[in-house]
Amino acid sequence: EEQLVESGGGLVKPGGSLRLSCAASGFTFTNAWMSWVRQAPGKGLEWVGRIKRQADGGTTEYAAPVKGRFTVSRDDSKNMLYLQMNSLNTEETAVYYCTDGRASWGQGTLVTVSS
Amino acid sequence: DIQMTQSPSSLSASVGDRVTITCRASHSISSDLNWYQQKPGKAPKLLIFTASRLVSGVPSRFSGSGSGTDFTLTISSLQPEDFATYYCQQSHGTFGGGTKVDIK
Repeated sequence: EEQLVESGGGLVKPGGSLRLSCAASGFTFTNAWMSWVRQAPGKGLEWVGRIKRQADGGTTEYAAPVKGRFTVSRDDSKNMLYLQMNSLNTEETAVYYCTDGRASWGQGTLVTVSS
Repeated sequence: DIQMTQSPSSLSASVGDRVTITCRASHSISSDLNWYQQKPGKAPKLLIFTASRLVSGVPSRFSGSGSGTDFTLTISSLQPEDFATYYCQQSHGTFGGGTKVDIK
């Protein structure tokens, strides 16, 4: 069974940094393009960024609001996906999901940006 | 960045109604479009990928169509479990704003 499990969420002050992790199992992670998606309380889904599989160059792409501050990376040897978030602001309080861009989604991890 | 515009943002319908949700991309995305259903407190559930391909196990009352910039999700006969919020998404990219389907 395909499974994604996020971790690393929590409370961070405005301007602070946080790194989220996503552990993948049950599918061939090295073949998957992977994305991060977030959802602020009571709001819609917002795509954050994605990373291609290494065979397609392993390149990354980001949504405009996070470009230059967030970094998506992967460690295929560990079946892990990461999201490094810097210079966080209060509007980025949200549940952060990792996904294979199709049917596999994690349960989400809550990031709260507050002083 | 490609923008995805979904309409309507909400609708009220009755069990048995036919429901249509539209999604427009700001530039052509070929058939690289997914449709998701989300219920409160849950992760999104993929219904349709590549614009028109139904995910295994999803009821056949759900269908998707379109290519290029204009796409449609249709629920042929709304069931009680279908009351939820629906999102379109360019594959590995931007989401539409969502359509909340509630009970009339």
